Amino acid sequence: GDSVTQMEGPVTLSEEAFLTINCTYTATGYPSLFWYVQYPGEGLQLLLKATKADDKGSNKGFEATYRKETTSFHLEKGSVQVSDSAVYFCALTSSSGANSKLTFGKGITLSVRP
Amino acid sequence: EAGVAQSPRYKIIEKRQSVAFWCNPISGHATLYWYQQILGQGPKLLIQFQNNGVVDDSQLPKDRFSAERLKGVDSTLKIQPAKLEDSAVYLCASSFEGKNTEAFFGQGTRLTVV
Repeated sequence: GDSVTQMEGPVTLSEEAFLTINCTYTATGYPSLFWYVQYPGEGLQLLLKATKADDKGSNKGFEATYRKETTSFHLEKGSVQVSDSAVYFCALTSSSGANSKLTFGKGITLSVRP
Repeated sequence: EAGVAQSPRYKIIEKRQSVAFWCNPISGHATLYWYQQILGQGPKLLIQFQNNGVVDDSQLPKDRFSAERLKGVDSTLKIQPAKLEDSAVYLCASSFEGKNTEAFFGQGTRLTVV
């Protein structure tokens, strides 16, 4: 079945540091890939997405590129802020069949210190 | 646009009691999901509805969990009887019909079973 693997956390960085959060996936067909973020006390919200190979999703300074050859969708940001502290989830939807099923990784907690 | 509404936000019950959660999806969204998120883990899909039909309930513990979506709009998730390991955040999400569309999440219901 479909699965998403995220790097182990938590991750603690200083403000303005470079961020990379690794994500790899296993899926049949051609999935769409997502990064969701959960800020403290809030619900999950979509950060960015990519629907086909070589697509780059971007939002709020975050970027991730859909790499079919390495089955990866790593999240990057050039300069993190304290306000980026949150839990980040990589996810995919399988494209087989008429309906999409959204599968999540375990999530990783990012803490950014001033 | 109103988001996904869930209630209650918090619930504490004793083991072997029953509990019900309610979800009102975004207007026009045909697909509705219920996820269970145990502390430190990613959301796990319990059940997925397309309108008022079940698309996937393969990970729903059917001996104690049940869900319905009357008239293809609101949904309720019930646990009867609850166990200690059911302590988790229960997330409802909705999306437009079709493949690879974005899911919008409610804030969740935090259940504690004591």
